[in-house]
Amino acid sequence: KAGVTQTPRYLIKTRGQQVTLSCSPISGHRSVSWYQQTPGQGLQFLFEYFSETQRNKGNFPGRFSGRQFSNSRSEMNVSTLELGDSALYLCASSFGDPRAIGEKLFFGSGTQLSVL
Amino acid sequence: TQLLEQSPQFLSIQEGENLTVYCNSSSVFSSLQWYRQEPGEGPVLLVTVVTGGEVKKLKRLTFQFGDARKDSSLHITAAQPGDTGLYLCTVLMYSGGGADGLTFGKGTHLIIQP
Repeated sequence: KAGVTQTPRYLIKTRGQQVTLSCSPISGHRSVSWYQQTPGQGLQFLFEYFSETQRNKGNFPGRFSGRQFSNSRSEMNVSTLELGDSALYLCASSFGDPRAIGEKLFFGSGTQLSVL
Repeated sequence: TQLLEQSPQFLSIQEGENLTVYCNSSSVFSSLQWYRQEPGEGPVLLVTVVTGGEVKKLKRLTFQFGDARKDSSLHITAAQPGDTGLYLCTVLMYSGGGADGLTFGKGTHLIIQP
């Protein structure tokens, strides 16, 4: 069974540009969550999608958005990039609701975004 | 203030030694999970603990949930280089509408030197 696949693996952008990251969940998983990981703040929850609907959202500005397609694949978009957006962006899929006690998240290897 | 405080932040020890890392909070949680993240990879779930005082073992790793469900520890016996990684604890956060999602500690960076 293939794991969670994130593309691209590395990305370099300049301030003001926008970027789209892609995530393919494990087959059969309908929930996809996105996290931002930085050395200073650690892992922070961005948003979660289930059946093409955003079900939960973290405390990030509106420049961060996402969507999920009918095949459960998900994309996240960051517009008007800032230097502080440089981070590892991780996608995680789960079979059930990730907010359920004991639910297991399966993470991809992430997309390392550098904003210059 | 960080909801989950993990300590130590960094730990470097020799192969074969024992170690304990901690995850502490002033809040009570219904459950707590530990993940390990190896360099260049995403986190992988190690264990979920739900009952105060619960102890779970995974080979050389022993996880304990505090009696008051506010803290947890991870003890590794006879550490091996393959144990190297970032150890993260995480809990579910709740607001009036239900669970909001997972909140992670900043983690303990563990290096096991051969």
